[in-house]
Amino acid sequence: KAGVTQTPRYLIKTRGQQVTLSCSPISGHRSVSWYQQTPGQGLQFLFEYFSETQRNKGNFPGRFSGRQFSNSRSEMNVSTLELGDSALYLCASSLSGGFYEQYFGPGTRLTVT
Amino acid sequence: AQSVSQHNHHVILSEAASLELGCNYSYGGTVNLFWYVQYPGQHLQLLLKYFSGDPLVKGIKGFEAEFIKSKFSFNLRKPSVQWSDTAEYFCAVGSGGGADGLTFGKGTHLIIQP
Repeated sequence: KAGVTQTPRYLIKTRGQQVTLSCSPISGHRSVSWYQQTPGQGLQFLFEYFSETQRNKGNFPGRFSGRQFSNSRSEMNVSTLELGDSALYLCASSLSGGFYEQYFGPGTRLTVT
Repeated sequence: AQSVSQHNHHVILSEAASLELGCNYSYGGTVNLFWYVQYPGQHLQLLLKYFSGDPLVKGIKGFEAEFIKSKFSFNLRKPSVQWSDTAEYFCAVGSGGGADGLTFGKGTHLIIQP
């Protein structure tokens, strides 16, 4: 069974631009969660989608948004990028969210210059 | 908001030594507990999890963890480490039925010297 895939793996953007990251969950998994990982703050929960609906959201500004498609694939968007948005963005999928074990993808390394 | 503390940020051990990594969380209600591992150059992998039942849980690669509710702890142990255990270890807690996602500790960087 293929794992969680994320594209692109690396991205360099300039302040003020916007970016869209993509995540394909494990086949059959309906929940997708997004996390931001930085050296200073560690892993922080961004939001979770289940059946195309955002169920949970972490403490991040509205510049961070996401969506989920009918095939469970998910995208997250960051608008008006700031230097502090440089991070590894991780996607995790699980069967139905809540606390079913989450399987993580390799992440997208975003660098904002 | 709940928090997760991993007291050891960097641990260096020799092969065959015993390992215990501490994890404490702040939430007082029902929790689900996880340990994840991130090997160099690889993505996060689930080591073990606790949902309910026997507080001593066994995971992959000889790791185990004990949930002590009275101490709000979920410490990770391995009786004899190997060089291949060199990695970053994260404790994570879920609560409130998933309302806040998983809360992760800052991680422990474990280095095993051959």
